[in-house]
Amino acid sequence: AQTVTQSQPEMSVQEAETVTLSCTYDTSESDYYLFWYKQPPSRQMILVIRQEAYKQQNATENRFSVNFQKAAKSFSLKISDSQLGDAAMYFCGAAGANNLFFGTGTRLTVIP
Amino acid sequence: DAGVIQSPRHEVTEMGQEVTLRCKPISGHDYLFWYRQTMMRGLELLIYFNNNVPIDDSGMPEDRFSAKMPNASFSTLKIQPSEPRDSAVYFCASSLALMGNEQFFGPGTRLTVL
Repeated sequence: AQTVTQSQPEMSVQEAETVTLSCTYDTSESDYYLFWYKQPPSRQMILVIRQEAYKQQNATENRFSVNFQKAAKSFSLKISDSQLGDAAMYFCGAAGANNLFFGTGTRLTVIP
Repeated sequence: DAGVIQSPRHEVTEMGQEVTLRCKPISGHDYLFWYRQTMMRGLELLIYFNNNVPIDDSGMPEDRFSAKMPNASFSTLKIQPSEPRDSAVYFCASSLALMGNEQFFGPGTRLTVL
C-alpha cells in the first residue's frame, strides 16, 4: 500500500519569511519519486519540485527546496523568502512503478 | 502544444442525470490520469491509462463511474446516474511516464449535481 500524509491543513507565513510544509509517506516500492504540486486560486496544478528517492541530495528549485529523509519517509517543502504569489494549496505526492498517491493538501496563506 | 484540454469547464446537472467529462491529453504522452478534488478528500486519483489501456481503476468510487480512452488523443469520464455527492472538480492529467515525469494537468471541470 502507498499513502501520503500532509498533517497541516493550513499554514501561514509572513511575506519574505521562510515556511516549511510537512509530508510523510509510506510505500512498498523500492524505487519511487516524490513531488510537490502547487494549486493557486486559478485552480491550475503546477509542479513545484520533484525528488528521486535514490538520490540523497535534496532537490532545489530557486526559493523552493526539500528536506528528504528517506529512513523517516519524510519529504518536507521549504519555501524561502515567501512571496504573495506563493499563496496556494500545496499537494505532496509519491509515484512508484505501479501507483501514484497525493496527500490531502496544505493551504498556504502569505501575510503581507 | 495547447496543453491538456478538458471540457466542459463547468457542468451543472440534476441528480440522476448522466454526466460525461472529456479530456484531450498532450500529444505524445503515454499516460493519462483522472483525478477528483474535494475539500474533504483533497486530490484523489480515480484511474489512469497507459497507451489507452486502463492500468489502475482502484480509485473509482463505484460502478456509477466509468472511464474510457478509445484512442491516444481522447478520454472520457462518465457518471451515470449522478448524485449530489459527486460534486467536485475533476482533473485530467497526462505525462510521458508514471515515475519521474511531470504530470501536466488540465484546467479541471467543476461539476455540480443538484
